[in-house]
Amino acid sequence: KNEVEQSPQNLTAQEGEFITINCSYSVGISALHWLQQHPGGGIVSLFMLSSGKKKHGRLIATINIQEKHSSLHITASHPRDSAVYICAVLQGSNTGNQFYFGTGTSLTVIP
Amino acid sequence: SAVISQKPSRDICQRGTSLTIQCQVDSQVTMMFWYRQQPGQSLTLIATANQGSEATYESGFVIDKFPISRPNLTFSTLTVSNMSPEDSSIYLCSVDFSGKETQYFGPGTRLLVL
Repeated sequence: KNEVEQSPQNLTAQEGEFITINCSYSVGISALHWLQQHPGGGIVSLFMLSSGKKKHGRLIATINIQEKHSSLHITASHPRDSAVYICAVLQGSNTGNQFYFGTGTSLTVIP
Repeated sequence: SAVISQKPSRDICQRGTSLTIQCQVDSQVTMMFWYRQQPGQSLTLIATANQGSEATYESGFVIDKFPISRPNLTFSTLTVSNMSPEDSSIYLCSVDFSGKETQYFGPGTRLLVL
């Protein structure tokens, strides 16, 4: 079983739709990242969360530490949002940090 | 924000050879990370590179296969040694600014091993 599970794996939406991508994890964490990977491999870190909610433009990320769950929302989706979205959790320990990555959600927004 | 560059951007290599990937950051950072993304997979952390100390490797990765240098606070290299086709991946470096809440990733190096 993966430490980080994302759903859905693939998502196709019409331009303008509200999109939600979910991430559940099974380990204790110190932080959770949402990453965006465009075709060609470049990765952008969208958010780092340790509690609550963050908003950046049309993107909103929430995390529930008790339920070990995070969601990434995209409002008024646009074709340029088409990318792979990856959830990553950071587990800190006395021996160092350990990252666990989800397998990603491939989003396609159709004009 | 940070500007991170990687060299080479892509390469095709023969089995048994080694390739050194460079990562350059436009500002000083404490921690630099090296990741691998195999085809169809998500990211896997290879190691954390701290300036002035040996890199810390994750389970499944060893220094003999992936030697790392970190000569200063803006530069690091990852060498993929004695390559095999299974090493064909995208290799990415990233940086984490102490006190900031965002991790920045380089553009990646696409490696194909024949």
